[in-house]
Amino acid sequence: RKEVEQDPGPFNVPEGATVAFNCTYSNSASQSFFWYRQDCRKEPKLLMSVYSSGNEDGRFTAQLNRASQYISLLIRDSKLSDSATYLCVVTRGVNYGGSQGNLIFGKGTKLSVKP
Amino acid sequence: DAGVIQSPRHEVTEMGQEVTLRCKPISGHDYLFWYRQTMMRGLELLIYFNNNVPIDDSGMPEDRFSAKMPNASFSTLKIQPSEPRDSAVYFCASKRTGARNTEAFFGQGTRLTVV
Repeated sequence: RKEVEQDPGPFNVPEGATVAFNCTYSNSASQSFFWYRQDCRKEPKLLMSVYSSGNEDGRFTAQLNRASQYISLLIRDSKLSDSATYLCVVTRGVNYGGSQGNLIFGKGTKLSVKP
Repeated sequence: DAGVIQSPRHEVTEMGQEVTLRCKPISGHDYLFWYRQTMMRGLELLIYFNNNVPIDDSGMPEDRFSAKMPNASFSTLKIQPSEPRDSAVYFCASKRTGARNTEAFFGQGTRLTVV
């Protein structure tokens, strides 16, 4: 089983739609979770961290379910500019110096928002 | 801050040649990561350093790959000899130790083509 698994998509949605991505991870000792965004031929950039209580940033909501080992990202009122690949990221369960340094990326879910 | 700086941006080399990729992390960041990205495998963590010390190199594919971090402001990833299957985008990223969920910043990547 891969450490981080995502549906590759693509998700093709109209502007204004709500879209949700899920991600599962295999290492129950993982401590930190993130969603990154990667535009075509660009480097990944942090979209948002994912906290145990769930968190929201404008149109974006991230949730974590530790019991089931999955993370979700919800995008409301999608915009054309949301078109990108969304990468789920977890830390690997290896502690060094009191923190988990490794960042393990899923292969990403491609989102295409159409007019 | 200029961000994570990688060089070269593009590299085309012949099979069997040595390739050296370079990275300058963001000043003050104590973690440095090397990733490789291909369509088939996504973003793979090759190795990461903490305070210039290699912590986990389990992702380095073969002995042909080696990475060094002689000081806090410079790292190299070397492939010797290179093979066509090494063709990929190689990203360097850095982050700072924090209480939780600190962001990793990526360089723009080096697009390597081995012919």
